[in-house]
Amino acid sequence: GAGVSQTPSNKVTEKGKYVELRCDPISGHTALYWYRQSLGQGPEFLIYFQGTGAADDSGLPNDRFFAVRPEGSVSTLKIQRTERGDSAVYLCASSLTAGPNYGYTFGSGTRLTVV
Amino acid sequence: RKEVEQDPGPFNVPEGATVAFNCTYSNSASQSFFWYRQDCRKEPKLLMSVYSSGNEDGRFTAQLNRASQYISLLIRDSKLSDSATYLCVVNLAGRRALTFGSGTRLQVQP
Repeated sequence: GAGVSQTPSNKVTEKGKYVELRCDPISGHTALYWYRQSLGQGPEFLIYFQGTGAADDSGLPNDRFFAVRPEGSVSTLKIQRTERGDSAVYLCASSLTAGPNYGYTFGSGTRLTVV
Repeated sequence: RKEVEQDPGPFNVPEGATVAFNCTYSNSASQSFFWYRQDCRKEPKLLMSVYSSGNEDGRFTAQLNRASQYISLLIRDSKLSDSATYLCVVNLAGRRALTFGSGTRLQVQP
């Protein structure tokens, strides 16, 4: 597609439920990043994929968070046993090449609200 | 201390004013630097890269001071449409993804 697509755009879930957030990067972009952004803060790094593999998952806050990119294109961020503190905007970005020397293109994000 | 630090603002300036933001970063070996712009409830968008020699794009000028570990963004002749949050972004040494500051909010007033 022309840009990075994220679905859903909004998700409200109850505490303790499981959620999946989807990211469809720009076609041909090998690098894919997940960030989350809380109100008044900058995006906080979660995980980086190069192709199908997670090259850096050091930003995942705990083992309730997991992400996959099985075919090197679409990625899914999975959150188990959601907590109210997980409420944030989850942003996905992609870039043409590996490494952060090039700017990212972000999707419009998924706004997750845990009630 | 945050790894990428910015004054949150807000900076309230009249149209036509010149405004400058600074940002400091923690790791002297960092290599790549950017400014992103984020409008309210929108995703961040790349405004410009920051090069060692400094660079200009229209009304926007970015500077890098490696010795003092800071980067700056200067906006001349501010427009109402410049109102946004400006995010300082750094490729910190040893990291494989970009690190974002918390942003500086700019409000240009008529």
